[in-house]
Amino acid sequence: EIVLTQSPGTLSLSPGERVILSCRASQSVSNNYLAWYQQKPGQAPRLLIYDASSRATGIPDRFSGSGSGTDFTLTISRLEPEDFAVYYCQQYGTSPITFGQGTRLEIK
Amino acid sequence: EVQLLESGGTLVQPGGSLRLSCAASGFTFTSYAMSWVRQAPGKGLEWVSSISPSGDTTNYPDSAKGRFTISRDNSKTTLYLQMNSLRAEDTALYFCAKGGLIVGRITKALGYWGQGTLVTVSS
Repeated sequence: EIVLTQSPGTLSLSPGERVILSCRASQSVSNNYLAWYQQKPGQAPRLLIYDASSRATGIPDRFSGSGSGTDFTLTISRLEPEDFAVYYCQQYGTSPITFGQGTRLEIK
Repeated sequence: EVQLLESGGTLVQPGGSLRLSCAASGFTFTSYAMSWVRQAPGKGLEWVSSISPSGDTTNYPDSAKGRFTISRDNSKTTLYLQMNSLRAEDTALYFCAKGGLIVGRITKALGYWGQGTLVTVSS
C-alpha cells in the first residue's frame, strides 16, 4: 500500500502567516489523485483540494495545492483564525485508499 | 444541500455484529460511489470500504475484507455497512462519504462527509 508521510507533525503559527504542509508518498500517486482535508475538533473532515491542485467547491483561494508523483504540498497563503485545525492528505488512485497521519496547525 | 446522516453506532461486545446506515439526500445518489471511513478516538483517518453507484462492485482494505460488507439501497438513498466479528480495535467514529475508489472505474475524492456514528467494541 502507499504510505503517506506528512510533515511536520505539529506547527505553531500566528494568524496572517503563510504555511506550507508537506505530504510525501512511498510510491508515485496514480494520476496525482491526491486530496487534502481539514478537520476541526468534533467535526467531520472537509475536502479542500482534490487531484493535487483543484480547489473544492466553496474553498477560499488562500488554500492551494501542488505537487506530483511522490511529493505534494498544501499552501495556506495567509492564515485566518478558522484555519487552525488538523490537515490530512489522502491518495485515492491506488487501492487501498490511504491517508497521511495528519499535521496539526496550532495558534502560536 | 448534500446531507449524509449516519446511524446505528452503539456499544457492542467483542465478536458481535452491527449494521450502520447512512441516509443521503441533496444529490443524485445513484450517480455516485460512496465510502465508509473510520477514525479511532484521538487517531487519524482510515478508509474502510467503497461501493460503486449501482452497488455491483465493492472495494475494501485487507483490514475489512471478510468481516465488513458495504451495500446500498438506491431506492432508499441509503448506504450500509455490515460489520461482523467485531474487535476492540474497530472502536471508532464511522463516517460515510460521497466518493471513493472502484478500481478501474471510479476515482473520486471524498467530497462530502456525514458527522459520523460511534461504534464502541467492549465487554
